[in-house]
Amino acid sequence: AQSVTQPDIHITVSEGASLELRCNYSYGATPYLFWYVQSPGQGLQLLLKYFSGDTLVQGIKGFEAEFKRSQSSFNLRKPSVHWSDAAEYFCAVDSGAGSYQLTFGKGTKLSVIP
Amino acid sequence: SAVISQKPSRDICQRGTSLTIQCQVDSQVTMMFWYRQQPGQSLTLIATANQGSEATYESGFVIDKFPISRPNLTFSTLTVSNMSPEDSSIYLCSVYTPSEGNEQFFGPGTRLTVL
Repeated sequence: AQSVTQPDIHITVSEGASLELRCNYSYGATPYLFWYVQSPGQGLQLLLKYFSGDTLVQGIKGFEAEFKRSQSSFNLRKPSVHWSDAAEYFCAVDSGAGSYQLTFGKGTKLSVIP
Repeated sequence: SAVISQKPSRDICQRGTSLTIQCQVDSQVTMMFWYRQQPGQSLTLIATANQGSEATYESGFVIDKFPISRPNLTFSTLTVSNMSPEDSSIYLCSVYTPSEGNEQFFGPGTRLTVL
């Protein structure tokens, strides 16, 4: 079965600093990969997704992620963090076997200090 | 993109009672799912709600505890039965339809507290 690891439970960055959130997955083939953001009291919003093709994908709100097959990673990045980016970020994998059932990582909580 | 609403948005319930959560989508969707997010935890898939047939449950979840209905392509309910404090979680429904580029859309969630 697939699994997703987000090794950082909580990250604090200064506003304007760059950000990288780590995500590693375990799956035999190339999965569909997603990053979601959950703001306090809100549902999940999709930031970006990777299915195939270009390994660097662009998302909303200035986020990007890079798929690295050799490292089984799909890290999320943003060059300059805004205070409004403070939220919980979840990496998820879909086995792509037609089930469309997502397996989520435990999440990384991002705090932004002014 | 699909717009999803859930009712209730939150509730506080007594041990041993049951709560039914509704999920309404503004368009017909192929697949609907129910997830649980326990306090401070990630999301765990409970089941796939199948239109016109019994839901498909993930390991660790059973129909007697979490009965699910899906009478049409825009609506589903999840019941949390015989509740205990361990059922205190956020319950989210999500939908998927191929025309939306394999994206799953999530509802705002129902925050359940069991006393």
